[in-house]
Amino acid sequence: TQLLEQSPQFLSIQEGENLTVYCNSSSVFSSLQWYRQEPGEGPVLLVTVVTGGEVKKLKRLTFQFGDARKDSSLHITAAQPGDTGLYLCAGDRYQKVTFGTGTKLQVIP
Amino acid sequence: SAVISQKPSRDICQRGTSLTIQCQVDSQVTMMFWYRQQPGQSLTLIATANQGSEATYESGFVIDKFPISRPNLTFSTLTVSNMSPEDSSIYLCSVEVIGDRVSGTQYFGPGTRLLVL
Repeated sequence: TQLLEQSPQFLSIQEGENLTVYCNSSSVFSSLQWYRQEPGEGPVLLVTVVTGGEVKKLKRLTFQFGDARKDSSLHITAAQPGDTGLYLCAGDRYQKVTFGTGTKLQVIP
Repeated sequence: SAVISQKPSRDICQRGTSLTIQCQVDSQVTMMFWYRQQPGQSLTLIATANQGSEATYESGFVIDKFPISRPNLTFSTLTVSNMSPEDSSIYLCSVEVIGDRVSGTQYFGPGTRLLVL
């Protein structure tokens, strides 16, 4: 079974702080996605990374795919209350997608 | 990308009954999936809905309990049969879009929140 472990599981921070969420596996993935889900909604795609070592930026969010394509990180700079939600990574391996365990982020105004 | 709608958005059902959830996409897609999610937790894949053939179920999920239809490239249904309180969950439909260069990228519907009493 492919397992994607996310850490931390829960995170509560003050507005303006920085944070990093990790997504780790022992398996190699051909691509990896990050999603954000708000209460009462479905997950929304943030980014897809495909190349080992790739870095993508989306405003205050920076995503990195590990060199070996086994792990990824999401860094948020100057977090805002609108960043609150459940963050999910998902890895594609042989056209089968596995979702991570999830990180619940709360940004307090 | 794709815009996905689900009906109903939520329901409260009695044990022993069945509920059919509909998923409609605004464009033709290759793959359609059904997931289950407990609030605040990760997603568990129930099955892949195949157009014109039987769905492909993941370990722990069977067709008798979760029959799935996919009559065309834009529509699918999931039925939760003979429900028990353990079936209370969020059910999500997702798709992979034709022409998407990167395999694995999915777009999700808003989910159906089911409570079984």
